[in-house]
Amino acid sequence: QKEVEQNSGPLSVPEGAIASLNCTYSDRVSQSFFWYRQYSGKSPELIMSIYSNGDKEDGRFTAQLNKASQYVSLLIRDSQPSDSATYLCAVEWGTGRRALTFGSGTRLQVQP
Amino acid sequence: DAGITQSPRYKITETGRQVTLMCHQTWSHSYMFWYRQDLGHGLRLIYYSAAADITDKGEVPDGYVVSRSKTENFPLTLESATRSQTSVYFCASSEGRGGLAQYFGPGTRLTVL
Repeated sequence: QKEVEQNSGPLSVPEGAIASLNCTYSDRVSQSFFWYRQYSGKSPELIMSIYSNGDKEDGRFTAQLNKASQYVSLLIRDSQPSDSATYLCAVEWGTGRRALTFGSGTRLQVQP
Repeated sequence: DAGITQSPRYKITETGRQVTLMCHQTWSHSYMFWYRQDLGHGLRLIYYSAAADITDKGEVPDGYVVSRSKTENFPLTLESATRSQTSVYFCASSEGRGGLAQYFGPGTRLTVL
């Protein structure tokens, strides 16, 4: 059973704070992990990809991966009201399929 | 540069009717995907395709049919629409040899009455 779990939120943070979004997955063989942002009524937009244990930084975003704990997270520094959206965690669905399994998403609200 | 487009953007139909949702991409990506998104379920994979004439089932394929005669097009057909197929449908594509990152179309909101 492929599962990707996220807290549905909403996660509310003040403007300028760090938002921490978490995701756990059940498939131990998964090697590729992604974070998508989805604004209300819009399609998912790729923010970050991560394939190796550790941290990967891109601007205000940092993805963290711990394969032993089957845990991936997204940190958003200096959060802005425009970051308010639903963040979807996606995990490779088995190996070789080139398909993804998505979590249900965490809704982030950044308060001005 | 359109990227990936879907049509129609909105569709209302009746139970039992056949409906086809269109997806077209201009990136020459090998892989294409169809998802449905429902409250409480997130994105669920319906079908995907690795190349022209190669398709495979996802998590929720029942009631849907796909074809891929050309690399750039990946239509999704509901052969006999049911109310449970009311949803937002997203098409996505990804490179074959590159990573798994997928890029999504704008979506089609389908209502089955």
